Amino acid sequence: DTGVSQDPRHKITKRGQNVTFRCDPISEHNRLYWYRQTLGQGPEFLTYFQNEAQLEKSRLLSDRFSAERPKGSFSTLEIQRTEQGDSAMYLCASSTTGTGGYNEQFFGPGTRLTVL
Amino acid sequence: GQSLEQPSEVTAVEGAIVQINCTYQTSGFYGLSWYQQHDGGAPTFLSYNALDGLEETGRFSSFLSRSDSYGYLLLQELQMKDSASYFCAGNQGGKLIFGQGTELSVKP
Repeated sequence: DTGVSQDPRHKITKRGQNVTFRCDPISEHNRLYWYRQTLGQGPEFLTYFQNEAQLEKSRLLSDRFSAERPKGSFSTLEIQRTEQGDSAMYLCASSTTGTGGYNEQFFGPGTRLTVL
Repeated sequence: GQSLEQPSEVTAVEGAIVQINCTYQTSGFYGLSWYQQHDGGAPTFLSYNALDGLEETGRFSSFLSRSDSYGYLLLQELQMKDSASYFCAGNQGGKLIFGQGTELSVKP
């Protein structure tokens, strides 16, 4: 399978714990994105990378959230001191740079986080 | 701020045509994308409009009018498998800004 993969698919944690998610993009894609989706809402942009550089981070993202893409391939998203409000589906997507603003994003299956 | 507005839900019968509208209030969008998401699944790309006008891809078509900050997704010959959530999304540089989604229910 050459699509975007995410691990784990489900994570249950207690409030205050740290969690880390991994995303493996499509191999030839240089862009990698993280989104968060809650029930009944559209995906909400969190951050994105071009190769290993983090180009943008949402102002909504608190300093408890950090993302890395150390070698321009896989990425990790860490949430420190989790809160119940962090419960959501965390989606990863990848794309090429695209032209004319066109960059079809390919989404992974997501990691569903439940904070108790 | 940046926002995209869509109807929350639409119901149609198998074989019919349905149009899902999207209006947006923002600047700096390079274009408008449409994504489909089935329950429990990942969003999948359907269509993209960089310029005003109609783009056709099989049973799906998408339209954009930049002057009206408006677009729509047109689904023809509806099938039961089209029951899903549909999102319009503004392409803003690298990122997508999604609307809240329209849940489409296709009835027999």
